[in-house]
Amino acid sequence: NAGVTQTPKFRILKIGQSMTLQCTQDMNHNYMYWYRQDPGMGLKLIYYSVGAGITDKGEVPNGYNVSRSTTEDFPLRLELAAPSQTSVYFCASSRPIWTTGAFFGQGTRLTVV
Amino acid sequence: AQKITQTQPGMFVQEKEAVTLDCTYDTSDQSYGLFWYKQPSSGEMIFLIYQGSYDEQNATEGRYSLNFQKARKSANLVISASQLGDSAMYFCAMREGYTGKLIFGQGTTLQVKP
Repeated sequence: NAGVTQTPKFRILKIGQSMTLQCTQDMNHNYMYWYRQDPGMGLKLIYYSVGAGITDKGEVPNGYNVSRSTTEDFPLRLELAAPSQTSVYFCASSRPIWTTGAFFGQGTRLTVV
Repeated sequence: AQKITQTQPGMFVQEKEAVTLDCTYDTSDQSYGLFWYKQPSSGEMIFLIYQGSYDEQNATEGRYSLNFQKARKSANLVISASQLGDSAMYFCAMREGYTGKLIFGQGTTLQVKP
């Protein structure tokens, strides 16, 4: 059981480039989330989804886009990368039943230069 | 608006002693869930404990307990008998029942001294 898988683990982007961070979960979870974590800081919610075809903005959505065409996948798209998007990105998923919390991927460390 | 606040950026505790990490929250929802996560230096997020807004008893999981005071909107984490392996960053989180939105506080770095 793989859980939540994020790819890539590391990436260096040049300013103005675009990329997609992949997130896949095999637990049939309805809820999926994207966060960014700057050094020494908390997790900020970028976007979330309560099911296939449904997405909503979080606390810091500017500069990002998401889609949720299947239950398993929740890719995060960065358009026109900026140095301010240098961060560690976490994807998470959870069931409607909350008692076990959300399951997190291992994170993607992104540097924009 | 939904908000989570952790006011202690860093804490020290002596090994084998108990420590309380503070968390206050704000939401207009009646149905919500509160969580604590641990993030060691390796970076992974580890779920520790959950408290539902309708739960009357404080949640406990091994050495972790959650001191839930609903009227004061606080959900403090108590770690008993601290161990060196407890040194990590700890995050309080809240999930709204209506939207499913899950947000985190700023985190508290805990260092356990031998």
